[in-house]
Parts: sequence; C-alpha cells; structure tokens
Amino acid sequence: AQSVAQPEDQVNVAEGNPLTVKCTYSVSGNPYLFWYVQYPNRGLQFLLKYITGDNLVKGSYGFEAEFNKSQTSFHLKKPSALVSDSALYFCAVRALSGNTPLVFGKGTRLSVIA
Amino acid sequence: GAVVSQHPSRVICKSGTSVKIECRSLDFQATTMFWYRQFPKQSLMLMATSNEGSKATYEQGVEKDKFLINHASLTLSTLTVTSAHPEDSSFYICSAPHWGNSYNEQFFGPGTRLTVL
Repeated sequence: AQSVAQPEDQVNVAEGNPLTVKCTYSVSGNPYLFWYVQYPNRGLQFLLKYITGDNLVKGSYGFEAEFNKSQTSFHLKKPSALVSDSALYFCAVRALSGNTPLVFGKGTRLSVIA
Repeated sequence: GAVVSQHPSRVICKSGTSVKIECRSLDFQATTMFWYRQFPKQSLMLMATSNEGSKATYEQGVEKDKFLINHASLTLSTLTVTSAHPEDSSFYICSAPHWGNSYNEQFFGPGTRLTVL
C-alpha cells in the first residue's frame, strides 16, 4: 500500500528566510512524487513532480524538492519565503506502474510572517 | 497542461435532497477519474474510482448507494450525493489522470463546496 507522511501540521517561517516542508513516502516499486498547494476555498495547484532523472526537481513559484531514495523523502524547499506562499501544502505519491490514484499526505500549513 | 472542470463550484441544499456534481476533462480523454472528499483542515481522501463503461470502485467505508457515480463518456464523470445530510457537507474534488506522453500527472478540478442545511 502507498502512504505519505507529512510530520508537521504547521510550519512558520519569516519572510525572506528559507523554508522546508517535509515529506516521506512508502510505495512498492519506484514512485511518482508530487507537491500541490491549496489556498483557502480553492482547488489544488500543481507545484512540481518527480518521476525519473535528477533528484532535484524545480517547480512553480521558485519551489524545488529533492528526491532521496535512501531516506524515502521528498522535502519541499524554497530559498526565500514570501508572505504569499502562506497556504496548505500536500505531498502525494503513486506507484510508477498501473492506473492508481494519488495518495495524499495530511497536509502542512505554511505560514510566512512578514 | 490539461484542464479538468467541475460544476457546480458551490451548492447549498436542504437535507434529504440529491445533488449532482459533474467532472469533465476538457482537452483529453479520461477512461478513469477519481473522486476525493476533503473535510475542513483535513487531507484529500479518495472516495471512488470512476471507470468509463463499467462500475465505479469504491474505497472502504464509502457507501456506493449514497454516492452514485456514473462515467457516461470519455470526458464526463458525475457524482450524485443522494439524500444528502449535513454530515455530507464537504469539499468534493474530482481528478483525471493523464499518464504517459508529456503530462504524467493527475489533473484536478477546482472542487465543489457542498453545504447541506
């Protein structure tokens, strides 16, 4: 079975500082890994994905994530946080094979303080 | 990227009525679509997998007679919440996968906020 763990319910960071939102996963075989962001009363917005290739993936709005197979992690990072980055962030995983749905972590609320 | 639409975006209904939510893939065909439900401040939970031309597959604990799913065509899936009750109030999100070629991801609709009075 696939699963995702986001160990932090809330992450607070000062504007301009680097941010990290943690994610670890469990899946049989090779994973597809995703990060999505959700603003209040809105749907999901795609940020980035890892399928194969470079372990460091760059995505939208200056976000990036690093795939670490040995630690089964896919942490989301940004060098300099903006107040507008404040939102709910979801990590998701699916197995590389088959037409299976994404499984989501519980979400991490990011609050960037001016 | 590919686009998935949902209609309506928001619905308020009285307890006991039925509500239909439509999910469309606008520029690609989707033989499979997924329906998720999100309660306030919680994650997305998969409810069911909608399959074109066959019965939907429901996750454990989801009542198939209450949440009727019909995948009428390669671009349309509908979720009908029958005899809705206040505890069914939630944010419902559909999704269509587009694996292969240049996309390799699951595209999400904007969601439908259901409030049952």
